[in-house]
Amino acid sequence: EVQLVQSGAELKKPGESLEISCTGSAYTFNTYWIGWVRQMPGKGLEWMGIIYPRDSDTRYSPAFQGQVTISADKSINTAYLQWSSLKASDTAMYYCARFGGGCCNDAFDLWGQGTMVTVSS
Amino acid sequence: EILMTQSPATLSVSPGESATLSCRASQSVNSNLAWYQQKPGQAPRLLIYGVSTRATGIPARFSGSGSETEFTLTISSLQSEDSAVYHCQQYSYWPLYTFGQGTRLKIK
Repeated sequence: EVQLVQSGAELKKPGESLEISCTGSAYTFNTYWIGWVRQMPGKGLEWMGIIYPRDSDTRYSPAFQGQVTISADKSINTAYLQWSSLKASDTAMYYCARFGGGCCNDAFDLWGQGTMVTVSS
Repeated sequence: EILMTQSPATLSVSPGESATLSCRASQSVNSNLAWYQQKPGQAPRLLIYGVSTRATGIPARFSGSGSETEFTLTISSLQSEDSAVYHCQQYSYWPLYTFGQGTRLKIK
């Protein structure tokens, strides 16, 4: 089955670091961009940034530049979203999604199930 | 950055009727517009891309229209399962593919 599977929910304290993951299966991972999307509780979707796993070309939304790091390991079909110092305001659901592989123009045609990150002292 | 504005914020419609959701872009996005459906506790699902092309498996009750800055998602013959939040997204301005704030559709 073609899918993106994300790592599990996280409960962290302010100031801690965190890396969450998104692993693709049953498709050619390197031929699609992977995007990360934030959804704060009760709010809409926010485009954070994207990565092309084949060459790790990475782009960020200005709102998230310097706040997170996006990376990928194409050998294991996995993309990552990383924080070096979490804040309470990072509490949100984070989704990965793919686009750009030929279907659907550049719309996100496949989504991960989401990773809930809770930051609380 | 392109601002996407959806209206109304909440819509309540009876089963069997039609719902019309709007999405406005602050600048022309040509035909680079997608709609997603998000049910409670679930990830978004692609409904429509390229303004009017339904994604795989999406029933014909869902239709999209519009151009440039004004877009509409119409859902006909509403069913209880259509209760969800609907998001629009522009993918015209690389690499900032911004979303609207969503419209919550309630089935009475």
